[in-house]
Amino acid sequence: NAGVTQTPKFRILKIGQSMTLQCAQDMNHNYMYWYRQDPGMGLKLIYYSVGAGITDKGEVPNGYNVSRSTTEDFPLRLELAAPSQTSVYFCASSYSREEQYFGPGTRLTVT
Amino acid sequence: DAKTTQPNSMESNEEEPVHLPCNHSTISGTDYIHWYRQLPSQGPEYVIHGLTSNVNNRMASLAIAEDRKSSTLILHRATLRDAAVYYCILRGDTSGTYKYIFGTGTRLKVLA
Repeated sequence: NAGVTQTPKFRILKIGQSMTLQCAQDMNHNYMYWYRQDPGMGLKLIYYSVGAGITDKGEVPNGYNVSRSTTEDFPLRLELAAPSQTSVYFCASSYSREEQYFGPGTRLTVT
Repeated sequence: DAKTTQPNSMESNEEEPVHLPCNHSTISGTDYIHWYRQLPSQGPEYVIHGLTSNVNNRMASLAIAEDRKSSTLILHRATLRDAAVYYCILRGDTSGTYKYIFGTGTRLKVLA
């Protein structure tokens, strides 16, 4: 199994641009999550999903959108990128509400 | 929201036990205590979790205080590969929503 994969690994955006961060998992997990991690800080939950077609906001959802059309994929959309969205983004998945498996992260810089 | 407090950093000698403390004085009855660790430039990795009783797995042990206001992650024999930031996390379920609150993390340095 590849586990949780994220693309791209790195990206530089200009202010006001949009992009989609891709996340996929091949473990047939129902639960998927998006986090952001600012330098020297812990992770903050952006959005999560408990199954295909079901998503909900986490702690810091403003400026982001998600969709979950399949069990495997959980893309994160940034509209009108701002410097405050410069961060490392981690996607995770879990079979239950317990142990989460994290992807390698996407490092995003907005200038 | 219930939060956790951890020391910023700790050091340990290789092959010695390590006790990483976490305070969570405002924990609610339904909050699970999770521990994850994060190696440099990687995503977090699950270590262990528990609710009330002490827990053991192949990676570590989790000791939970009787009043649940604190817990301790125990690495029985630290290796150089255990050098990471360790996060103590409360996973609550308030009003049907999921709340994952990461602490500040403890940076563990393992000395050869």
